[in-house]
Amino acid sequence: DVKVTQSSRYLVKRTGEKVFLECVQDMDHENMFWYRQDPGLGLRLIYFSYDVKMKEKGDIPEGYSVSREKKERFSLILESASTNQTSMYLCASCPLRQGYEQYFGPGTRLTVT
Amino acid sequence: AQSVTQLGSHVSVSEGALVLLRCNYSSSVPPYLFWYVQYPNQGLQLLLKYTSAATLVKGINGFEAEFKKSETSFHLTKPSAHMRDAAEYFCAVSVRSGNTGKLIFGQGTTLQVKP
Repeated sequence: DVKVTQSSRYLVKRTGEKVFLECVQDMDHENMFWYRQDPGLGLRLIYFSYDVKMKEKGDIPEGYSVSREKKERFSLILESASTNQTSMYLCASCPLRQGYEQYFGPGTRLTVT
Repeated sequence: AQSVTQLGSHVSVSEGALVLLRCNYSSSVPPYLFWYVQYPNQGLQLLLKYTSAATLVKGINGFEAEFKKSETSFHLTKPSAHMRDAAEYFCAVSVRSGNTGKLIFGQGTTLQVKP
């Protein structure tokens, strides 16, 4: 079974803090993705990566950065957390070729106070 | 630009009734289409996918979806709803990005199943 794990299920941070969300997959997938999920808006892509040290902006990259130093690990960084970044964050992975389904982690519910 | 529209943010059915969740897509090329389900406080799980083989696709938990090119639709159905089907459902289309693909999701439909 493909396994995508996320470092925390629930996280509470203060405004201005630097926040790291970690994602690890065990299926040797080339692609990894970070989404945020908000009610009524579905899933919106923040960043994705198709290889180590490679990254591409998604639809809403502002306020976020990412890091992929190893193939299995993809980190999302909030440089200075703000209350409008309170959301559910979902990580996913899949093989490189188009048409494959993405496999999702359980999500991290982040609250910024 | 490719997009996905799910008609109805909330759908309510009685247990045992037909489930119909609607999804329309726009795509300039033959699409790859997916339905995912999300149970409370969990990640997304693949229900089924269309990748240009049979137009009627069967998935897990008794769900199926029919690809209709003329209507640009990929509606999800289940003949008889169970209480455990209560969840949020997402339709998605795969779009090309460089030499790979990424998913565009609809807004989601919350399915409520009444006893």
